[in-house]
Amino acid sequence: KNQVEQSPQSLIILEGKNCTLQCNYTVSPFSNLRWYKQDTGRGPVSLTIMTFSENTKSNGRYTATLDADTKQSSLHITASQLSDSASYICVVSSLHSGTYKYIFGTGTRLKVLA
Amino acid sequence: GAVVSQHPSRVICKSGTSVKIECRSLDFQATTMFWYRQFPKQSLMLMATSNEGSKATYEQGVEKDKFLINHASLTLSTLTVTSAHPEDSSFYICSARGSIWDSFNEQFFGPGTRLTVL
Repeated sequence: KNQVEQSPQSLIILEGKNCTLQCNYTVSPFSNLRWYKQDTGRGPVSLTIMTFSENTKSNGRYTATLDADTKQSSLHITASQLSDSASYICVVSSLHSGTYKYIFGTGTRLKVLA
Repeated sequence: GAVVSQHPSRVICKSGTSVKIECRSLDFQATTMFWYRQFPKQSLMLMATSNEGSKATYEQGVEKDKFLINHASLTLSTLTVTSAHPEDSSFYICSARGSIWDSFNEQFFGPGTRLTVL
C-alpha cells in the first residue's frame, strides 16, 4: 500500500532555532517528492521538489534531502522565524492508471515561539 | 508562477441546500484539476480528478451524485455539494495541472474554501 508517513506529528521550537522534519514513504512507482508549507486556512505552497537522482535541494532557509534507497526525506529549517509556523506536508508523486497522483503525508505542525 | 483561485473563500449554508465552489487557473490552461477535502488536523484527501471536457474520476468512497464536478473549460472547474449536511463541513481545496508534458507533474493549489453546514 502506498503510504507517506511524517514525524514528528507536531513540534514547538523557539525563534531562531533549527529543526528537521522527517518523511518516510512506501510509494511505487516513485516519480518525485515535494515538501509543501500550508498555513492555517490556506492551500499548500510548494517549497522543494526532488527527483529520484537528487539528494539535496535548498530554497532559502529550507533544505530538503532525499535518500531513494531507504525511501526517506527530511526538511531542515534554519534560523526559524515566527512565520514558519505552519503545517509541512511531504508529498510523493506516483503514476496510477495513466495519471500522476499525489500521495500526501500526514503532515507536521510546526509552532515557532518568540 | 502559476496561480489558482477559489471562490468563495468561505461559505455557510443551511442543511439541505446546495453549494457551488469555483476553481480557476488564472495564468495557465489546466488540462487536469483535482478536488481535495481536508478535515481539521488531517492531510488532504483526494476526492476526484477531472480532465477538461470529460467526466470526473471519483476516488473510492466519494459519492459522485453528491459532489458534482464540472470542468467545462481549461481554466474553470466547479464542485457542487448537493443537499449539504453538517458532516460535509470541511475545507475544500482544488489544484490544477497544466501541460501533460510537464515532467514534474506539478499541481498548483488554490487557497481553499471553508464550508460550514448548519
